[in-house]
Amino acid sequence: QVQLVESGGGLVKPGGSLRLSCAASGFNFSDYYMSWIRQAPGKGLEWVSYSSSSGRTIHYADSVKGRFTISRDNAKNSLYLQMNSLRDEDMAVYYCARGLEGWDYYYMDVWGKGTTVTVSS
Amino acid sequence: QSALTQPASVSGSPGQSITISCTGTSSDVGANNYVSWYQQHPGKAPKLVIYDVSNRPSGVSYRFSGSKSGHTASLTISGLQAEDEADFYCSSYTSSSTPLVFGTGTKVTVL
Repeated sequence: QVQLVESGGGLVKPGGSLRLSCAASGFNFSDYYMSWIRQAPGKGLEWVSYSSSSGRTIHYADSVKGRFTISRDNAKNSLYLQMNSLRDEDMAVYYCARGLEGWDYYYMDVWGKGTTVTVSS
Repeated sequence: QSALTQPASVSGSPGQSITISCTGTSSDVGANNYVSWYQQHPGKAPKLVIYDVSNRPSGVSYRFSGSKSGHTASLTISGLQAEDEADFYCSSYTSSSTPLVFGTGTKVTVL
């Protein structure tokens, strides 16, 4: 079945780095836009970044621009998020999500269960 | 880019209809139809329930409907059921440097 599984979350000190991964299965990964969305504890959703199906078009939220890097390996059906210079406010559950077919990144129809990033000294 | 404005909570009795508003600006909700709604149960990932203002993805109950007028989008849940109790978030494309923005979220309580 269609599935997204995130991994790589954990505890990191302020200023540290972490790399999140998202493994896709059950669909043709290379056909879809993919996004990362996060949710701080007890807070709402915040869109973080998207990658076009080929990986050639990428965009970031202002809050992470210059610190986070999204990438994908279509041969491995995987999406990544390299997070550098982490701040307290980056602490959240990070979700990987698939763009609805034909709608690029505007809508996300498949979500993973999320991976938790904790930023604390 | 600020979050879209939603009421913090909305409640209703089983069988009733409720409406959740999502107010934006001329840079987001008021400028395009790339408006969607997500339902999130506690501890779970969000689920897309409405896209393109008023379209339902396959498998989503007909009880969910969406609309938009000016800078405000709305989600209506008719025939409210206990399983509808969840947090709901709107989302819109925005012409700002951050292209997607979510709403502040609304907690729906079934009385």
